[in-house]
Amino acid sequence: DTGVSQNPRHKITKRGQNVTFRCDPISEHNRLYWYRQTLGQGPEFLTYFQNEAQLEKSRLLSDRFSAERPKGSFSTLEIQRTEQGDSAMYLCASSPGTGLYNEQFFGPGTRLTVL
Amino acid sequence: AQSVTQPDIHITVSEGASLELRCNYSYGATPYLFWYVQSPGQGLQLLLKYFSGDTLVQGIKGFEAEFKRSQSSFNLRKPSVHWSDAAEYFCAVGRTGTASKLTFGTGTRLQVTL
Repeated sequence: DTGVSQNPRHKITKRGQNVTFRCDPISEHNRLYWYRQTLGQGPEFLTYFQNEAQLEKSRLLSDRFSAERPKGSFSTLEIQRTEQGDSAMYLCASSPGTGLYNEQFFGPGTRLTVL
Repeated sequence: AQSVTQPDIHITVSEGASLELRCNYSYGATPYLFWYVQSPGQGLQLLLKYFSGDTLVQGIKGFEAEFKRSQSSFNLRKPSVHWSDAAEYFCAVGRTGTASKLTFGTGTRLQVTL
């Protein structure tokens, strides 16, 4: 068990560019979550997958954001036409999915800076 | 909708002193409650959780928390703080009956003086 991994750890981009982040959950974890954390705030929920199905999306997830989890393994979060307001830490978490509620294990995050 | 309030943005304690971090939640039913710790450059680590049963829960690193339904609170405590406890602490609530999102508070930054 190597934990949840996220790549890249840091991303600097110019406004208007597209960026993609990857999350590899703990092996055999069925549930995968994306959160966004801005400076001085707690993480805010973005979206959630049960296997490959995206079951819930926050209103924070605008049309410029898209998340996928092909084959129910790793997940990608893409932001198109980035804006300075997208600068944040993007956190991924996974949970076993064998019960009604399970602990969510978080990755180290990807810090995005939009210039 | 559920919400979490952590009234203290920043707390400073001396090493060896006791600690209590406050957390108040708003939720219409029995919530699932969590405390996470985040060190600089690190992800969130779960300290403890409450689902049901005994209202006093023990966690890792010597932390405990008590669920008080009448006060809608889930305060985190530690009898003797170590310098390595300096970090950001987040309280979170989850909805019962579903395995989806957590709602986090804004966090409390703990500073430990030697």
